[in-house]
Amino acid sequence: GAVVSQHPSRVICKSGTSVKIECRSLDFQATTMFWYRQFPKQSLMLMATSNEGSKATYEQGVEKDKFLINHASLTLSTLTVTSAHPEDSSFYICSAQDRGVGKLLFGSGTQLSVL
Amino acid sequence: AQSVTQLDSQVPVFEEAPVELRCNYSSSVSVYLFWYVQYPNQGLQLLLKYLSGSTLVKGINGFEAEFNKSQTSFHLRKPSVHISDTAEYFCAVSLFGNTGNQFYFGTGTSLTVIP
Repeated sequence: GAVVSQHPSRVICKSGTSVKIECRSLDFQATTMFWYRQFPKQSLMLMATSNEGSKATYEQGVEKDKFLINHASLTLSTLTVTSAHPEDSSFYICSAQDRGVGKLLFGSGTQLSVL
Repeated sequence: AQSVTQLDSQVPVFEEAPVELRCNYSSSVSVYLFWYVQYPNQGLQLLLKYLSGSTLVKGINGFEAEFNKSQTSFHLRKPSVHISDTAEYFCAVSLFGNTGNQFYFGTGTSLTVIP
């Protein structure tokens, strides 16, 4: 069935390095994907909305150059945290809109820890 | 293992009638509970959340939810719905363990308000 696969589930990196998170739609095409961030004991914060083949739309306060989003195909979107710093440590989760049935599906999330 | 169950995939209701959207979860540890709403082609918006304290939580747009620990439920209610409430509603559970965040979503309930 249709699922969203998000990888990696957990990543630890050194400050200054870049980290790429992948979000894939399996068995469906996703015209729109959303990227969220969650801090402990808080709700999800929408970072950006990406549509296949076009530039992502970032929410206010989210640095475009810091969080690079690429949605090159109907089944893959990537979030790259560039030059990561400890304050970027967070839980990142993607969701994808099933083009066919319009249902929103969620990845399992990525816990990023920057040392 | 943790899971979130939204028992109703679709709920049609007449305008100004009350509505309840059901959510049950399973978890062996304490959790935080959220309800989100998704309007067409938009990202999730937080309706309300339960972190601790009073089990009756009031959110935006007249929605409220009650945390019932014994029944492991967090049902969403509104006494009188409007046309503008037509949307997809997601229940979510978050827990913070030693290894970081985990976030689980229900499959969503499509609320349709009939004029």
